[in-house]
Amino acid sequence: NAGVTQTPKFQVLKTGQSMTLQCAQDMNHNSMYWYRQDPGMGLRLIYYSASEGTTDKGEVPNGYNVSRLNKREFSLRLESAAPSQTSVYFCASKPPGVRSTDTQYFGPGTRLTVL
Amino acid sequence: AQTVTQSQPEMSVQEAETVTLSCTYDTSESNYYLFWYKQPPSRQMILVIRQEAYKQQNATENRFSVNFQKAAKSFSLKISDSQLGDTAMYFCAFMIGGNNRKLIWGLGTSLAVNP
Repeated sequence: NAGVTQTPKFQVLKTGQSMTLQCAQDMNHNSMYWYRQDPGMGLRLIYYSASEGTTDKGEVPNGYNVSRLNKREFSLRLESAAPSQTSVYFCASKPPGVRSTDTQYFGPGTRLTVL
Repeated sequence: AQTVTQSQPEMSVQEAETVTLSCTYDTSESNYYLFWYKQPPSRQMILVIRQEAYKQQNATENRFSVNFQKAAKSFSLKISDSQLGDTAMYFCAFMIGGNNRKLIWGLGTSLAVNP
């Protein structure tokens, strides 16, 4: 049981390049999330997926697209990277149900630099 | 709007002593969940402790405990017998119950445990 995994761990892009950040979870969770973390800004939600086949915008969706490929995988795509997208990106997942199961489990993060 | 405020950007404590990190939040909802997450230098986001708003009893996890004051909308984290490994950023967050369960995050408190 690996939990939430993210690839790559580090990436450097040039402005205008595209790339996809991969996230997978093996905990049979329904909900998955993509965050970015910037100094002084805390964690901000980019997109989330409440279940397979559905995605919704979060707080800062501009410049990103997502795909919920199946229940396990939730990818984040930057079509044309900009320096403002330099950040640490976290994927998270959450099990179904209510109350004590309302906990998000995080991946190790991807540090992205756009030059 | 729902918000989370962590008023202490940085704190330090001597090893083996006790430290309290403060968190206040604002919501008009009655059904919600509160969390403290720890982010060590490795960048992994780790759940420390969780509290359901409907429970009056304060949550405790080993050396970590909370002081949950629902009327005051306060959710402080107490770390007893601080250890060097507790050095990290600590984030307070809450989630409204219901279908759209997104986490709302504070900006974090950087805690340094000194030998």
